[in-house]
Amino acid sequence: NAGVTQTPKFRILKIGQSMTLQCAQDMNHNYMYWYRQDPGMGLKLIYYSVGAGITDKGEVPNGYNVSRSTTEDFPLRLELAAPSQTSVYFCASSTQGDSNQPQHFGDGTRLSIL
Amino acid sequence: GDSVTQMEGPVTLSEEAFLTINCTYTATGYPSLFWYVQYPGEGLQLLLKATKADDKGSNKGFEATYRKETTSFHLEKGSVQVSDSAVYFCALSSSGSARQLTFGSGTQLTVLP
Repeated sequence: NAGVTQTPKFRILKIGQSMTLQCAQDMNHNYMYWYRQDPGMGLKLIYYSVGAGITDKGEVPNGYNVSRSTTEDFPLRLELAAPSQTSVYFCASSTQGDSNQPQHFGDGTRLSIL
Repeated sequence: GDSVTQMEGPVTLSEEAFLTINCTYTATGYPSLFWYVQYPGEGLQLLLKATKADDKGSNKGFEATYRKETTSFHLEKGSVQVSDSAVYFCALSSSGSARQLTFGSGTQLTVLP
């Protein structure tokens, strides 16, 4: 049972480059989330999705885009990488239901923008 | 909006010591409360949860009680082990439709043998 799978694990980008962080889950969860974790800080929500075809902004969406064409996949795109986007990115998913359902996290993508 | 305030770290303890990590929250309505743990190089894992006032969540010797009167959810363990070294995050889930989590800043725990 793979759970939430993120690729790549590490990446270095130059300023202005673009890339897509991949996230896939095999638990048939409707809800999916992207967070960023900066050193010494908690996780901040970038975007989330409550189902295929539906996405919405979180707390820190600027500089990112997402899509949700299938239940399983929720890629995060950086169009013009900036040093401020250096962070660890986590994807998570949860089942539809009450707010007491936990989120399941991937192992993260460590991204450096130089 | 919702917020979570967590005890500043890092925390360093000797093996078998008692652990408390304080967590207080601000939220409208009746949130669910969680503790997540993050081991080095890994994603977050759910440690325990509580969904209503006076509930006690417990797992792997860790406990936390949902105290609505003090808006707190402090994490405790009676005897820590070296393997408990990790970052611990307190979080709440709002009653909104997206079940978004609001996290505290995390507390780094190091347990020395």
